Amino acid sequence: QVQLVQSGAEAKKPGASVKLSCKASGYTFTDYAIHWVRQAPGQSLEWMGWINAGLGNTRYSQNFQDRVTFTRDSSASTAYLELSGLRSEDTATYYCARAIVATIGTEFDYWGQGSLVTVSS
Amino acid sequence: EVVLTQSPGTLSLSPGERATLSCRASRTISSSYLAWYQQKPGQAPRLLVYAASSRAAGIPDRFTGSGSGTDFTLTISRLEPEDFGVYYCQQCGGSPLSFGGGTKVEVK
Repeated sequence: QVQLVQSGAEAKKPGASVKLSCKASGYTFTDYAIHWVRQAPGQSLEWMGWINAGLGNTRYSQNFQDRVTFTRDSSASTAYLELSGLRSEDTATYYCARAIVATIGTEFDYWGQGSLVTVSS
Repeated sequence: EVVLTQSPGTLSLSPGERATLSCRASRTISSSYLAWYQQKPGQAPRLLVYAASSRAAGIPDRFTGSGSGTDFTLTISRLEPEDFGVYYCQQCGGSPLSFGGGTKVEVK
């Protein structure tokens, strides 16, 4: 069965960076895209961007373009999100989600369990 | 950017009742690119409906999506205890992808 398993909770200080992982199983990793979505406490969902797990090309939301990097390790079926310059407003649960490789029509059929990132001095 | 506005913010209903959730887009989007998700506390969202009206795998037929243009609706015909939670619409018709603010369906 398809599973996306994310890395554990992180506590960071303002200005630091965080790198999260999302390990996929149950399907051919390189046939799909991985999107990243975050959710601040009590808030809605915010799309951050996506990576083509096969080719490695990326698309970032303008809200994060200068601070976020998506990578993947195809041999490990794992996608990564690195967010730099952390501030308190980045405190959120970060989700990875699977979608087809496309620029449109990309609903998310499987989600990771989420990784809580807390930014505090 | 397409802004999605969901209403009402909270829906207080009893099990067995019908729930009607609205999602309005700031501009016309193709119905092929509108999805609905359910989220329960402490859990990741779950895909319910894609392409406005197609149920995702394993989703019961009491969930029905409809609409076109700028107005979309998710209807839950008879609420089951496990249906209480927050529902989000999402447009996936172009970058940036966006979500609505959510409708909380709570027990009356």
